Amino acid sequence: AQSVTQLGSHVSVSEGALVLLRCNYSSSVPPYLFWYVQYPNQGLQLLLKYTTGATLVKGINGFEAEFKKSETSFHLTKPSAHMSDAAEYFCAVSDMNRDDKIIFGKGTRLHILP
Amino acid sequence: DTGVSQDPRHKITKRGQNVTFRCDPISEHNRLYWYRQTLGQGPEFLTYFQNEAQLEKSRLLSDRFSAERPKGSFSTLEIQRTEQGDSAMYLCASSVLTGRTYNEQFFGPGTRLTVL
Repeated sequence: AQSVTQLGSHVSVSEGALVLLRCNYSSSVPPYLFWYVQYPNQGLQLLLKYTTGATLVKGINGFEAEFKKSETSFHLTKPSAHMSDAAEYFCAVSDMNRDDKIIFGKGTRLHILP
Repeated sequence: DTGVSQDPRHKITKRGQNVTFRCDPISEHNRLYWYRQTLGQGPEFLTYFQNEAQLEKSRLLSDRFSAERPKGSFSTLEIQRTEQGDSAMYLCASSVLTGRTYNEQFFGPGTRLTVL
């Protein structure tokens, strides 16, 4: 069985500060890992994904995440927060052998302070 | 717009009524997924289709829920005898099955259901 834990349901950072959203996963098989962003009244948009290969993955809007197998983590970072980054962020995992089901975390709402 | 579309975007109904939602996937996407997202939670997998075949259903999908994809294109999700606990955002996603190991799911904007 797979699961995802996102630490912190709400995170506030100042504009221009580092963004760090934490995600830990549990999987009995090599996982695919994802970060999605959801703006109000919109669907989910894929920010970045890890499937195989390089453990540091870069996504859209300046976000990146690093797969650390030893720590079962996939934390999301961005060096400098922008007001437009305010949204809900979901970490997710799926089985690399069957990518048809995605297991999502509960989400972290990111607030950007002016 | 060639993305995943869902209709309606919002639905308010009274308890006990039946509701039906529609999802139009990206053209030529042969996989279609339904997820449910309740307040404060991440999306939860409900079911998925490959072409017209429904391949898996979650235990969350009680016998009041039925999903179809009759021609392998659009899909409908029907909830019979709605309950207040059915209030949620219902998300649809689609992907195209290829020979690659990973096939991205593209999400629609969702249908928000409120059961009074």
